[in-house]
Amino acid sequence: DGGITQSPKYLFRKEGQNVTLSCEQNLNHDAMYWYRQDPGQGLRLIYYSQIVNDFQKGDIAEGYSVSREKKESFPLTVTSAQKNPTAFYLCASSSFGGDTEAFFGQGTRLTVV
Amino acid sequence: AQTVTQSQPEMSVQEAETVTLSCTYDTSESDYYLFWYKQPPSRQMILVIRQEAYKQQNATENRFSVNFQKAAKSFSLKISDSQLGDAAMYFCAYYSTSGTYKYIFGTGTRLKVLA
Repeated sequence: DGGITQSPKYLFRKEGQNVTLSCEQNLNHDAMYWYRQDPGQGLRLIYYSQIVNDFQKGDIAEGYSVSREKKESFPLTVTSAQKNPTAFYLCASSSFGGDTEAFFGQGTRLTVV
Repeated sequence: AQTVTQSQPEMSVQEAETVTLSCTYDTSESDYYLFWYKQPPSRQMILVIRQEAYKQQNATENRFSVNFQKAAKSFSLKISDSQLGDAAMYFCAYYSTSGTYKYIFGTGTRLKVLA
């Protein structure tokens, strides 16, 4: 079955440590996105990529980094520079151009202690 | 920059009744797509309905329909015959097709369905 997979579902890290969230899709989508969800703030765009080896900053990119070495994969690293990293993170993918919707993974809940 | 506004943080509806969720957006573009997504307690995002800006006809999907007013930049979602399973967060989203190619979401409306 085609889909988009995020792992792990829950992640705990100590303050000051970098952590990488995985996102893999087998939908043959060109575009991939990372969103952060906090209560009352909706989905805020962190980074997005429309093609392999290229990506753009979203509205809240500070303290995060990404790579897009393969079409299927778009990992997100939450660095120690991110001041408030505890949140729910959603990865999505879509065809380029918006003629279909964005498909979402199940999300990763990151808790930094 | 484009923005999406959902002015109702929370709404309630009686089972079997109809409810309308509001969404407005700001853009200078003429070609774009609009979406409504549902996020149940599982937090899995599910597409409810989509609308192409160039289409004047309002989209419908079973009990879900939209009222798309392009000039007013309004995109409301009507849920008819509300069911307990409709209880969820609902997000309005905008997709630009002329340059930025990204999905912009509103802050969401939490819908409660009362038995």
